[in-house]
Parts: sequence; structure tokens; C-alpha cells
Amino acid sequence: ETGVTQSPTHLIKTRGQQVTLRCSSQSGHNTVSWYQQALGQGPQFIFQYYREEENGRGNFPPRFSGLQFPNYSSELNVNALELDDSALYLCASSPSGSGRETQYFGPGTRLLVL
Amino acid sequence: AQKVTQAQTEISVVEKEDVTLDCVYETRDTTYYLFWYKQPPSGELVFLIRRNSFDEQNEISGRYSWNFQKSTSSFNFTITASQVVDSAVYFCALSVLNSGYALNFGKGTSLLVTP
Repeated sequence: ETGVTQSPTHLIKTRGQQVTLRCSSQSGHNTVSWYQQALGQGPQFIFQYYREEENGRGNFPPRFSGLQFPNYSSELNVNALELDDSALYLCASSPSGSGRETQYFGPGTRLLVL
Repeated sequence: AQKVTQAQTEISVVEKEDVTLDCVYETRDTTYYLFWYKQPPSGELVFLIRRNSFDEQNEISGRYSWNFQKSTSSFNFTITASQVVDSAVYFCALSVLNSGYALNFGKGTSLLVTP
């Protein structure tokens, strides 16, 4: 059984640029959630996708957007990058959008905005 | 609103000592789920345990044990006979229906186990 994978592992961008991060969910999982983890902090929920629809969103501006594809993989897009967007971006998948299910995390993408 | 507090920012112990990581949560929901995750230096969050609000039974898994007490809104994690490999940041998290079951994390406790 393949776990959650994310690409790329590291990324360096400059302020104002756009970035796309990718996530492949664990086999059998149809729900993907994205989290942002700033240095020394706990992860913060960005949004969740269930069966290709956004199923919930945290306190993040609209320049954070996402997609989920028919194979349940997902993308996180961030436009107009700001210095504060530098963080570890974590993707998690679960068997469904229910809270009864455990979310399993990928290794993350470390984004540095200069 | 939901909130998770991990008051211990850093803990340092010597190998073979027992250590308890504290977690206090706040929610008005009667149905909720509590989690513990381990984050080694590599960055990946590793799932350790899930508990729902109707199951206060404590759990033991090898050297790990969890004490869930609704009366004090606490879900503490104990590592018995700690090992160097236990060194990591540990996160407690809460999910409830009103937040779409998104995980609300505490700030984490950094555990350092020295030989």
C-alpha cells in the first residue's frame, strides 16, 4: 500500500511569484486536506477536498486555491507569494471526509519565499 | 471555537526515563476526536492514536500510553522507558463537526532524549 506522496520536496520562490504543490493520496482514500506549518508552530488547516469538491476551508486568503482530480490526487496553488508563505506544506489523506477517519500525512513540501 | 494547548514547549530527559506530554483541549461540541502525531526531524507527521469523545478508556501500546479524562479536558501521552529514537516534536490535535473535522493542532512539545 502506497502512502501519501508530495512533490516537490523543496522549493525556492521569490515574492510575487506563483507556486503549485502536488499530493497523491494513499490508496483507497478520497479525501485530501492541506496544512501550512510555519517554523516552530503546529500545522494550520488550509482546506479539504472530498470527491473533487472543496469540503471546508480554514482562515486563508483566496490566493490559496486547490484542485482535486478524479484519481483523488490534489494540487495546492498559491498566487502572489509573500515572505510569510515560507513554511512546510503538508498534505493528508483519509478514507472519507468524516472526522471519524484518521488523516495520514505525506512528507511535506518546504517552501522558501525570498 | 476549538483550541488545543500543549503547555510544555520543550522537554529533555535521559534515556530510560518516563516522560508525560500534556494536552488540554477546549470545545463545546459533544462529539469530537483527539489525536496524537509524532513529527521527527524529517518533517512527516506520523499518526500515533485517535480517540473519540465517547471512549474514555485509556490505551497502552508498547511503551506508549494515553490518559483521556473528559472531566479535565485532557489527553495526556506517556512514554515509558524513553529511547533516543523517541526524540521528536509531538502534536496533540482535535477535530469536531463544526470545523468540518479539520485537525486543530496544538503548538507541539519538542522531546529530546539523550543517551
